[in-house]
Amino acid sequence: DSGVTQTPKHLITATGQRVTLRCSPRSGDLSVYWYQQSLDQGLQFLIQYYNGEERAKGNILERFSAQQFPDLHSELNLSSLELGDSALYFCASSVADGYNSPLHFGNGTRLTVT
Amino acid sequence: QQQVKQSPQSLIVQKGGISIINCAYENTAFDYFPWYQQFPGKGPALLIAIRPDVSEKKEGRFTISFNKSAKQFSLHIMDSQPGDSATYFCAASFSGGSNYKLTFGKGTLLTVNP
Repeated sequence: DSGVTQTPKHLITATGQRVTLRCSPRSGDLSVYWYQQSLDQGLQFLIQYYNGEERAKGNILERFSAQQFPDLHSELNLSSLELGDSALYFCASSVADGYNSPLHFGNGTRLTVT
Repeated sequence: QQQVKQSPQSLIVQKGGISIINCAYENTAFDYFPWYQQFPGKGPALLIAIRPDVSEKKEGRFTISFNKSAKQFSLHIMDSQPGDSATYFCAASFSGGSNYKLTFGKGTLLTVNP
């Protein structure tokens, strides 16, 4: 068990809807990362937060947003959902930021947009 | 532009055999090369990592071989076991950089038959 908790495990929703994915990092980890995993694109970095502040953005769509709260949990908001947003969404956390502070992934949220 | 190319996409090995997964990178500034292991329904987990100051790193049955001049690195799993069946991702990054800069390969689905 990585210590990173993601909820819900599965989410089925319709096109045009909005969903919120939640992540609780490992105790003591300050940095949270969100990834999208699809069969054709592999693991794609979306966004990183460090101690409540946005640190970096990857290939995150404007319809997607995230935040990290004072208790360090994070939420990823996906709106105006499209069929192509169906994927596994992973949250990862690390104590600090850098190769000496490896990523610990949660078990993901599987999003299905119908 | 895919910066880390991984092959094969899938691999079937008999129990006791050697599994070999290869990765090639383009950015010569990369100097940190981890491998992640992902079981079905779970998130990726760091398996083993190498930096280019060594050409090989071994941890139990898992070995990374690194060829800096060819910009290639590979994962060898000796005496492969059914419990090794998983998806393996190679990745590359900069040791002086943030974790978000970690670039993943598209993964190799390994099946070890009993």
